[in-house]
Amino acid sequence: AQSVAQPEDQVNVAEGNPLTVKCTYSVSGNPYLFWYVQYPNRGLQFLLKYITGDNLVKGSYGFEAEFNKSQTSFHLKKPSALVSDSALYFCAVRPPGNNRLAFGKGNQVVVIP
Amino acid sequence: NAGVMQNPRHLVRRRGQEARLRCSPMKGHSHVYWYRQLPEEGLKFMVYLQKENIIDESGMPKERFSAEFPKEGPSILRIQQVVRGDSAAYFCASSRDSGYQETQYFGPGTRLLVL
Repeated sequence: AQSVAQPEDQVNVAEGNPLTVKCTYSVSGNPYLFWYVQYPNRGLQFLLKYITGDNLVKGSYGFEAEFNKSQTSFHLKKPSALVSDSALYFCAVRPPGNNRLAFGKGNQVVVIP
Repeated sequence: NAGVMQNPRHLVRRRGQEARLRCSPMKGHSHVYWYRQLPEEGLKFMVYLQKENIIDESGMPKERFSAEFPKEGPSILRIQQVVRGDSAAYFCASSRDSGYQETQYFGPGTRLLVL
């Protein structure tokens, strides 16, 4: 069965510093990987996805993520964090042949002014 | 272009009542997915529907829960005889196609509270 691990409960970063949110996955075959962000009392907003091709994927709001097959990781990154980036971030995987998304438990990001 | 719409946004029910949650997909999308988010947890898949068809309901509880996506109108997630453990946020997502590379776009959710 597929699974997603987001090992850190909360990520604290100073405004202007680089932001990294970690995600590792376990799935048979080549996965499709997604990042979503959730603001308080809101739905999930799509940030970016990896399907195939270049391992570095660029997404919305200056975010990017790097697919690393050997480490089964898909870490989310932003070079310079903003206070408005404070939110809950979810990594998700869609295994081959399956339409459902399997989500990690989420990481709370707090950007300190 | 309107996004995924869900209503109501908040729903309060007493134990034993029925809850009906509605989801209208994005324009041009004919695939709908329902997920449940329990407090302090990630989203869990419940069911995947296309117009008039349930494609995958492997995440649905066996009893009290049902879903439909009629030819006309929104998708409905129905919970009969609600219990306190049903309190959660229920999210609907839609996609344009069934391809595995397709992005699922989420609605704002319905937060169900069972008293």
